[in-house]
Amino acid sequence: QVQLQESGPGLVKPSQTLSLTCTVSGGSISGGGYYWSWVRHHPGKGLEWIGYIYDSGDTYYNPSLKSRVIISIDTSKFQFSLELSSVTAADTAVYYCARDRSNRAAAFDIWGQGTMVTVSS
Amino acid sequence: QSVLTQPPSASGTPGQRVSFSCSGSSSNIGTNPVTWFQQLPGTAPKLLIYSNNQRPSGVPDRFSGSKSGTSASLAISGLQSEDEADYYCASWDDSLNGHVVFGGGTKLTVL
Repeated sequence: QVQLQESGPGLVKPSQTLSLTCTVSGGSISGGGYYWSWVRHHPGKGLEWIGYIYDSGDTYYNPSLKSRVIISIDTSKFQFSLELSSVTAADTAVYYCARDRSNRAAAFDIWGQGTMVTVSS
Repeated sequence: QSVLTQPPSASGTPGQRVSFSCSGSSSNIGTNPVTWFQQLPGTAPKLLIYSNNQRPSGVPDRFSGSKSGTSASLAISGLQSEDEADYYCASWDDSLNGHVVFGGGTKLTVL
């Protein structure tokens, strides 16, 4: 059974870059036609899609975050990563990695447990 | 402000049938499939419905989804106390080169 696990610092200073990694276990990260995603949940608010990456390296980003986001994939390590630059307090959230069954479907069928990231000096 | 509009709250009693709405536009729900997620407190979202009305393996048939035009609905029949959670709808939006959009979520209280 495929499982996802986020890792990375829980505290980031304002203006710095938030970096998280998601490790895929129990299955392949390539060849399955899946889109590997990042979604965040602001405290007391709704879910926000950050973007996703296909195993070919093709990426799709939330237009509101596009200028600050890079999602990359390392299939040899079964990992994909998120970099969010120039963070502010508004980026404080629980960050989830998730697997989307296909493109243009928003069908995230497997999720990591989530990791809380706080932006504060 | 979320792109998809959901009522912030709903309630029902055990055994009852409840439904939630999700309203969008021609660039998202009107053109693309709708997905529904359940999020229990302190846990990751769980996929409940995909492609408007399909249930993943393991999701009880008490949960059903439908779509008409630019709106979608999630219905829960035989309401149980463990159904108390936040429910989110989502869809692909074709504007701005395409992106996923979520609703603001509906908090279901089982009285």
